[in-house]
Amino acid sequence: AQSVTQPDIHITVSEGASLELRCNYSYGATPYLFWYVQSPGQGLQLLLKYFSGDTLVQGIKGFEAEFKRSQSSFNLRKPSVHWSDAAEYFCAVASRISSGSARQLTFGSGTQLTVLP
Amino acid sequence: NAGVTQTPKFRILKIGQSMTLQCAQDMNHNYMYWYRQDPGMGLKLIYYSVGAGITDKGEVPNGYNVSRSTTEDFPLRLELAAPSQTSVYFCASSYSRVGPDTQYFGPGTRLTVL
Repeated sequence: AQSVTQPDIHITVSEGASLELRCNYSYGATPYLFWYVQSPGQGLQLLLKYFSGDTLVQGIKGFEAEFKRSQSSFNLRKPSVHWSDAAEYFCAVASRISSGSARQLTFGSGTQLTVLP
Repeated sequence: NAGVTQTPKFRILKIGQSMTLQCAQDMNHNYMYWYRQDPGMGLKLIYYSVGAGITDKGEVPNGYNVSRSTTEDFPLRLELAAPSQTSVYFCASSYSRVGPDTQYFGPGTRLTVL
Protein backbone atom coordinates (compact mmCIF):
# COMPACT_ATOMS: atom_id res chain seq x y z
CA ALA A 1 0.00 0.00 0.00
CA GLN A 2 1.12 3.53 -0.67
CA SER A 3 2.15 5.91 2.10
CA VAL A 4 3.68 9.34 2.54
CA THR A 5 5.83 10.45 5.45
CA GLN A 6 6.55 14.01 6.38
CA PRO A 7 9.06 13.69 9.24
CA ASP A 8 8.83 17.29 10.43
CA ILE A 9 5.57 18.17 12.16
CA HIS A 10 6.57 21.79 12.73
CA ILE A 11 9.35 23.95 11.26
CA THR A 12 10.23 27.52 12.21
CA VAL A 13 12.38 29.72 9.98
CA SER A 14 13.20 33.40 9.87
CA GLU A 15 11.93 35.53 7.04
CA GLY A 16 14.48 35.54 4.24
CA ALA A 17 16.00 32.22 5.25
CA SER A 18 15.95 29.19 3.02
CA LEU A 19 13.47 26.37 3.53
CA GLU A 20 13.40 22.64 2.90
CA LEU A 21 10.43 20.45 3.78
CA ARG A 22 10.99 16.73 3.64
CA CYS A 23 8.72 14.15 2.07
CA ASN A 24 9.28 10.41 1.66
CA TYR A 25 6.87 8.16 -0.17
CA SER A 26 6.27 4.46 -0.54
CA TYR A 27 4.62 3.33 -3.75
CA GLY A 28 5.24 0.31 -5.94
CA ALA A 29 4.67 1.91 -9.33
CA THR A 30 5.68 5.20 -10.97
CA PRO A 31 4.86 7.87 -8.40
CA TYR A 32 2.85 10.93 -9.26
CA LEU A 33 3.72 13.42 -6.54
CA PHE A 34 2.21 16.66 -5.34
CA TRP A 35 2.78 19.42 -2.83
CA TYR A 36 -0.24 21.35 -1.57
CA VAL A 37 -0.38 24.30 0.83
CA GLN A 38 -3.19 25.01 3.25
CA SER A 39 -3.57 28.40 4.91
CA PRO A 40 -5.66 28.61 8.09
CA GLY A 41 -9.34 28.06 7.35
CA GLN A 42 -8.65 27.59 3.67
CA GLY A 43 -8.72 24.75 1.22
CA LEU A 44 -5.68 23.11 -0.35
CA GLN A 45 -3.84 24.95 -3.07
CA LEU A 46 -1.56 23.10 -5.46
CA LEU A 47 2.06 24.29 -5.28
CA LEU A 48 3.62 21.91 -7.78
CA LYS A 49 3.51 18.38 -9.12
CA TYR A 50 5.78 15.74 -10.60
CA PHE A 51 4.50 13.31 -13.19
CA SER A 52 7.59 12.54 -15.28
CA GLY A 53 10.63 14.11 -16.95
CA ASP A 54 12.88 16.66 -15.28
CA THR A 55 13.23 15.68 -11.64
CA LEU A 56 13.46 19.32 -10.50
CA VAL A 57 10.04 20.90 -10.79
CA GLN A 58 9.11 24.51 -10.37
CA GLY A 59 5.90 25.64 -8.77
CA ILE A 60 4.06 28.75 -7.77
CA LYS A 61 5.24 31.31 -5.21
CA GLY A 62 8.92 30.52 -5.87
CA PHE A 63 8.77 26.93 -4.62
CA GLU A 64 10.57 24.01 -6.22
CA ALA A 65 10.83 20.31 -5.46
CA GLU A 66 13.25 17.60 -6.45
CA PHE A 67 12.22 14.00 -7.10
CA LYS A 68 14.85 11.48 -6.06
CA ARG A 69 13.78 7.97 -6.95
CA SER A 70 16.74 6.33 -5.20
CA GLN A 71 15.77 7.98 -1.93
CA SER A 72 11.98 7.82 -2.46
CA SER A 73 11.89 11.51 -1.67
CA PHE A 74 10.22 14.62 -3.01
CA ASN A 75 11.49 17.49 -0.88
CA LEU A 76 10.11 21.00 -1.21
CA ARG A 77 12.45 23.99 -1.20
CA LYS A 78 12.36 27.75 -1.31
CA PRO A 79 15.48 29.95 -1.33
CA SER A 80 14.01 32.84 0.65
CA VAL A 81 10.90 32.51 2.77
CA HIS A 82 8.32 35.29 3.05
CA TRP A 83 6.02 35.86 6.04
CA SER A 84 3.06 34.97 3.81
CA ASP A 85 4.46 31.44 3.38
CA ALA A 86 3.39 30.54 6.92
CA ALA A 87 0.91 27.70 6.42
CA GLU A 88 0.63 23.93 6.52
CA TYR A 89 2.24 21.97 3.70
CA PHE A 90 1.13 18.56 2.52
CA CYS A 91 2.94 16.10 0.30
CA ALA A 92 0.80 13.55 -1.56
CA VAL A 93 1.14 10.62 -3.93
CA ALA A 94 -1.54 9.60 -6.42
CA SER A 95 -2.44 5.94 -6.72
CA ARG A 96 -5.04 4.05 -8.72
CA ILE A 97 -8.28 3.17 -6.99
CA SER A 98 -8.85 -0.52 -7.73
CA SER A 99 -8.57 -1.27 -11.46
CA GLY A 100 -10.23 1.87 -12.73
CA SER A 101 -8.75 5.08 -14.09
CA ALA A 102 -9.46 7.21 -11.03
CA ARG A 103 -6.65 7.94 -8.63
CA GLN A 104 -6.81 8.87 -4.99
CA LEU A 105 -4.35 11.09 -3.21
CA THR A 106 -2.58 9.68 -0.19
CA PHE A 107 -1.37 12.53 1.97
CA GLY A 108 1.32 12.90 4.56
CA SER A 109 0.31 14.30 7.93
CA GLY A 110 1.59 17.74 7.02
CA THR A 111 4.32 20.16 8.12
CA GLN A 112 3.30 23.38 9.83
CA LEU A 113 5.59 26.27 8.85
CA THR A 114 6.05 29.26 11.12
CA VAL A 115 7.92 32.29 9.79
CA LEU A 116 9.60 34.64 12.25
CA PRO A 117 9.95 38.33 11.36
CA ASN B 1 -14.59 30.26 -12.82
CA ALA B 2 -15.53 29.74 -9.18
CA GLY B 3 -13.70 26.40 -9.19
CA VAL B 4 -14.88 24.01 -6.46
CA THR B 5 -17.39 25.46 -4.02
CA GLN B 6 -18.66 23.92 -0.77
CA THR B 7 -21.50 24.81 1.56
CA PRO B 8 -21.85 25.28 4.44
CA LYS B 9 -18.49 26.47 5.75
CA PHE B 10 -19.29 25.44 9.31
CA ARG B 11 -21.93 23.26 10.94
CA ILE B 12 -22.65 21.86 14.38
CA LEU B 13 -24.80 18.73 14.56
CA LYS B 14 -26.22 16.75 17.42
CA ILE B 15 -25.65 13.01 17.58
CA GLY B 16 -28.13 11.22 15.36
CA GLN B 17 -28.97 14.21 13.17
CA SER B 18 -28.56 14.13 9.42
CA MET B 19 -27.18 16.63 6.97
CA THR B 20 -25.94 17.04 3.43
CA LEU B 21 -22.69 18.72 2.54
CA GLN B 22 -22.91 20.39 -0.82
CA CYS B 23 -20.16 20.46 -3.42
CA ALA B 24 -20.22 21.97 -6.89
CA GLN B 25 -17.61 22.58 -9.59
CA ASP B 26 -17.81 24.64 -12.76
CA MET B 27 -14.73 23.28 -14.53
CA ASN B 28 -16.57 20.47 -16.35
CA HIS B 29 -14.51 17.89 -14.48
CA ASN B 30 -15.63 14.30 -14.72
CA TYR B 31 -14.04 13.10 -11.51
CA MET B 32 -15.08 14.30 -8.08
CA TYR B 33 -13.96 13.25 -4.61
CA TRP B 34 -14.79 13.66 -0.95
CA TYR B 35 -12.02 13.63 1.65
CA ARG B 36 -12.01 14.15 5.39
CA GLN B 37 -9.19 15.71 7.36
CA ASP B 38 -8.79 14.90 11.04
CA PRO B 39 -6.51 16.97 13.31
CA GLY B 40 -2.83 16.29 12.72
CA MET B 41 -3.57 13.98 9.84
CA GLY B 42 -3.58 14.11 6.10
CA LEU B 43 -6.77 13.75 4.09
CA LYS B 44 -8.51 10.41 3.63
CA LEU B 45 -10.79 9.53 0.72
CA ILE B 46 -14.44 8.89 1.62
CA TYR B 47 -16.15 8.49 -1.78
CA TYR B 48 -15.44 9.35 -5.34
CA SER B 49 -17.26 9.59 -8.66
CA VAL B 50 -16.02 9.18 -12.23
CA GLY B 51 -19.10 10.70 -13.81
CA ALA B 52 -22.79 11.39 -13.40
CA GLY B 53 -24.52 8.31 -12.00
CA ILE B 54 -21.26 6.54 -11.07
CA THR B 55 -19.95 6.56 -7.52
CA ASP B 56 -17.74 4.27 -5.47
CA LYS B 57 -16.30 3.90 -1.99
CA GLY B 58 -12.96 5.18 -0.92
CA GLU B 59 -10.89 4.41 2.14
CA VAL B 60 -13.33 5.51 4.88
CA PRO B 61 -16.93 5.32 3.53
CA ASN B 62 -18.80 4.10 6.63
CA GLY B 63 -21.49 6.48 7.82
CA TYR B 64 -21.67 8.40 4.54
CA ASN B 65 -23.56 8.29 1.27
CA VAL B 66 -23.16 10.14 -2.01
CA SER B 67 -25.00 10.70 -5.24
CA ARG B 68 -24.01 12.24 -8.57
CA SER B 69 -26.96 13.22 -10.70
CA THR B 70 -25.13 15.94 -12.65
CA THR B 71 -21.54 16.59 -13.70
CA GLU B 72 -21.40 19.70 -11.55
CA ASP B 73 -22.72 18.49 -8.17
CA PHE B 74 -21.52 15.84 -5.75
CA PRO B 75 -23.30 16.03 -2.36
CA LEU B 76 -22.19 14.03 0.68
CA ARG B 77 -24.87 12.76 3.04
CA LEU B 78 -24.42 11.96 6.73
CA GLU B 79 -27.45 9.97 7.90
CA LEU B 80 -26.86 9.47 11.63
CA ALA B 81 -24.15 11.82 12.80
CA ALA B 82 -21.65 10.47 15.31
CA PRO B 83 -18.84 12.25 17.21
CA SER B 84 -16.32 10.29 15.13
CA GLN B 85 -17.52 12.27 12.11
CA THR B 86 -16.26 15.52 13.56
CA SER B 87 -13.80 16.59 10.92
CA VAL B 88 -13.10 18.99 8.08
CA TYR B 89 -14.53 17.77 4.80
CA PHE B 90 -13.02 18.65 1.46
CA CYS B 91 -14.47 18.14 -1.96
CA ALA B 92 -12.15 17.93 -4.97
CA SER B 93 -12.48 17.51 -8.70
CA SER B 94 -10.22 16.60 -11.60
CA TYR B 95 -10.33 16.22 -15.35
CA SER B 96 -10.09 12.60 -16.30
CA ARG B 97 -7.56 11.45 -18.82
CA VAL B 98 -5.42 8.42 -19.44
CA GLY B 99 -2.51 9.68 -17.39
CA PRO B 100 -2.39 11.31 -13.99
CA ASP B 101 -4.48 14.37 -13.25
CA THR B 102 -4.50 17.19 -10.74
CA GLN B 103 -7.19 17.41 -8.09
CA TYR B 104 -8.52 20.85 -7.25
CA PHE B 105 -9.95 21.35 -3.79
CA GLY B 106 -12.79 23.36 -2.35
CA PRO B 107 -12.46 25.50 0.81
CA GLY B 108 -13.83 22.80 3.11
CA THR B 109 -16.70 22.33 5.55
CA ARG B 110 -15.86 22.17 9.25
CA LEU B 111 -18.31 19.82 10.96
CA THR B 112 -18.65 19.29 14.70
CA VAL B 113 -20.89 16.54 16.10
CA LEU B 114 -21.83 16.93 19.76
